[in-house]
Amino acid sequence: EDKVVQSPLSLVVHEGDTVTLNCSYEVTNFRSLLWYKQEKKAPTFLFMLTSSGIEKKSGRLSSILDKKELFSILNITATQTGDSAIYLCAVEPASQKKLVFGKGTKLTVNP
Amino acid sequence: NAGVTQTPKFRILKIGQSMTLQCTQDMNHNYMYWYRQDPGMGLKLIYYSVGAGITDKGEVPNGYNVSRSTTEDFPLRLELAAPSQTSVYFCASRRPGNTIYFGEGSWLTVV
Repeated sequence: EDKVVQSPLSLVVHEGDTVTLNCSYEVTNFRSLLWYKQEKKAPTFLFMLTSSGIEKKSGRLSSILDKKELFSILNITATQTGDSAIYLCAVEPASQKKLVFGKGTKLTVNP
Repeated sequence: NAGVTQTPKFRILKIGQSMTLQCTQDMNHNYMYWYRQDPGMGLKLIYYSVGAGITDKGEVPNGYNVSRSTTEDFPLRLELAAPSQTSVYFCASRRPGNTIYFGEGSWLTVV
């Protein structure tokens, strides 16, 4: 059965800290891994990763995939209170029919 | 630029009542999904569809039914509502190999 495990489940930091969120997976014939940010409403797309070792970057957020070790990390530098959210990781198997989501990491950034 | 539209946004149901959550997308996506999200939890897949006339169960299908008569519409029906179905429901759509687009969510309370 396809599985995505995120850690930690929750994290509390102070503004300005750097955080690393983890996502490990077991999936039949991996195709891609996606990161989403969810505040009070629907998840919004951050990154899609398909190749090992290539960092995707957007402002203070970056992510990288390791297909050999079956995990990805999401880094957020110089955190701000607006980064407080649930961060979801999802994996797309080769069948492409559905995404398998992890339980998410709840990040709280305190001023 | 509608994307994925779901209605209603909020609904209170009494135990045993039935209702339909409507979902429509204007992006001509073949794949559509219904997820539920309980407080502090990740997304659980209820049903999905890879095209008109084709539907399949996800992780938590019991108590729900779907239909997909057109590419655009994917309604979710709750029969005999139970308190355990109190949740936030997200409809979503995507093209294979691409990110998933979510509707804004429907908050359902069963009392």
